Amino acid sequence: AQKVTQAQTEISVVEKEDVTLDCVYETRDTTYYLFWYKQPPSGELVFLIRRNSFDEQNEISGRYSWNFQKSTSSFNFTITASQVVDSAVYFCALSAVWTNAGKSTFGDGTTLTVKP
Amino acid sequence: GAVVSQHPSWVICKSGTSVKIECRSLDFQATTMFWYRQFPKQSLMLMATSNEGSKATYEQGVEKDKFLINHASLTLSTLTVTSAHPEDSSFYICSARDRLQETQYFGPGTRLLVL
Repeated sequence: AQKVTQAQTEISVVEKEDVTLDCVYETRDTTYYLFWYKQPPSGELVFLIRRNSFDEQNEISGRYSWNFQKSTSSFNFTITASQVVDSAVYFCALSAVWTNAGKSTFGDGTTLTVKP
Repeated sequence: GAVVSQHPSWVICKSGTSVKIECRSLDFQATTMFWYRQFPKQSLMLMATSNEGSKATYEQGVEKDKFLINHASLTLSTLTVTSAHPEDSSFYICSARDRLQETQYFGPGTRLLVL
């Protein structure tokens, strides 16, 4: 079985603050992909990043950065200098290549509110 | 990036009617498409996996006779909610997997309201 845990249900910050969204996963597969998606109030899911299990390099994309640590089964997401437009629900997801037929399992999501 | 469309984007229907939702991959071929349901303030729940040319695989607890899935081509999958009831009101999202990239691309979703 595979599982994704996003322990933070809601986070509220003031604009320009940095914020980290936690994601912890479980899988028996050695080959898997991890994802982050953003869901703004409109409902549409926006793909942010995909990371495969063999690539532990951290990644930075503008104000976004991701910290993948296999030792702790975590894939955390940091937004630097947050903006009001970052307010959304963020989902972490896991897709194992060989088990579970490649289906994605989503965490419960973290609702981020950035106040001006 | 790859684009997935859904139609309609929202639908209101009377209880007992059937509703068809289309999911199309616009610029890539998707041998596999997934259908999710999302209730307010909840996560996405996988309903079924749709494979082109074969029967869909349903998740435990999802009624296959109520949620009919057809994956007629490499770019089109349809979900039909038969004899819809108010408890079927939800946000339905499809995704299409680009096998080359192992990434799922999500459609914009369809909001269904059954009166």
